[in-house]
Amino acid sequence: QQQVKQSPQSLIVQKGGISIINCAYENTAFDYFPWYQQFPGKGPALLIAIRPDVSEKKEGRFTISFNKSAKQFSLHIMDSQPGDSATYFCAATLTDSWGKLQFGAGTQVVVTP
Amino acid sequence: DVKVTQSSRYLVKRTGEKVFLECVQDMDHENMFWYRQDPGLGLRLIYFSYDVKMKEKGDIPEGYSVSREKKERFSLILESASTNQTSMYLCASSSSTRIYTDTQYFGPGTRLTVL
Repeated sequence: QQQVKQSPQSLIVQKGGISIINCAYENTAFDYFPWYQQFPGKGPALLIAIRPDVSEKKEGRFTISFNKSAKQFSLHIMDSQPGDSATYFCAATLTDSWGKLQFGAGTQVVVTP
Repeated sequence: DVKVTQSSRYLVKRTGEKVFLECVQDMDHENMFWYRQDPGLGLRLIYFSYDVKMKEKGDIPEGYSVSREKKERFSLILESASTNQTSMYLCASSSSTRIYTDTQYFGPGTRLTVL
């Protein structure tokens, strides 16, 4: 039973468009929410992360929006580029767990030229 | 740069064989993790270790064991491989503590096929 539910499973967006990936969680004790990006043939790498004391975090074209009351968070990729084509995983963890992550199922994003 | 290396990129084994997957990290991290990645299921934690010779079961430990004799090395062992263990295996390391969560760094993965 997955503790973090991620949608959609896949996404096709045109170059310059906005990609939006959503995640929902049940455990209100979660206090760290990272997003990982994985290119084919590579391991996942941290893209951006947020803690629940803020509602939004932006790094370049990537933004996490966090809604604590709804227990949801999302990744927005602005001005999507073909180089953003990858699989994106949301995850969650809590203090006192040695950083063990609960991952979502992943979203494959394809950005067409 | 943090580097996590895994001994093989691709591995083909037969049902019933004992399989060893090796992982080495060069950043003196206390924590090391083994995940398996399957389409539609994301990454699921098999085992993790927060210190040499210390280990804890993750969400799907059945059919697996681990060994951590040195800080930099974490091995995943399939005692008797079965076809349902065909998967991508990812190793990760981090310096998280009980009170602070830090980034996990992943290796490139080993794609294991059990025939």
